[in-house]
Amino acid sequence: SQQGEEDPQALSIQEGENATMNCSYKTSINNLQWYRQNSGRGLVHLILIRSNEREKHSGRLRVTLDTSKKSSSLLITASRAADTASYFCATRTPSGANSKLTFGKGITLSVRP
Amino acid sequence: DAEITQSPRHKITETGRQVTLACHQTWNHNNMFWYRQDLGHGLRLIHYSYGVQDTNKGEVSDGYSVSRSNTEDLPLTLESAASSQTSVYFCASSAPGTAETQYFGPGTRLLVL
Repeated sequence: SQQGEEDPQALSIQEGENATMNCSYKTSINNLQWYRQNSGRGLVHLILIRSNEREKHSGRLRVTLDTSKKSSSLLITASRAADTASYFCATRTPSGANSKLTFGKGITLSVRP
Repeated sequence: DAEITQSPRHKITETGRQVTLACHQTWNHNNMFWYRQDLGHGLRLIHYSYGVQDTNKGEVSDGYSVSRSNTEDLPLTLESAASSQTSVYFCASSAPGTAETQYFGPGTRLLVL
């Protein structure tokens, strides 16, 4: 069963605009990760935020985490056509040293030139 | 450079045949995972391994098996292929630890006729 649920399912924006994607989850987590998948390719890790962190930045990416609401958001600023991809959130639950990730269904982002 | 590869990249088979998908990583990661990706379902975990001789069932393991005889390889076998197993299959690996970022292979597109 999916732990993370992304919202919206699809997003279309103009190049240069910001893209905000949300993820909600159900149980306590160790960390939450965002991945990107370009068409026909494997997933690539973007950014990780730990349960005791509220915000992290990496280049044009900003991720926030609200553990009280069990939600996270990924903001891509000044979007580019190359950001067109599917984005997945994945949660790691605190069940030992080797726990697995649970992925959401993904958000399809289209950035129009 | 370290990498994770999958073969074949595309496979067409017939119902009832046994099929093996290969996954090979040179990261020297203890953890390896197999997922399937289907429209509307996102990524679902099939099997995973935390080390040599260790294998565990994921949420959609029926009809699949894995074996781990060395660190580098985790082949996925479909015992008797069914049309419901038509999907894109991804292998991933990670190092054990609190972050557990996963590195994905390029995927294998399997069509069962």
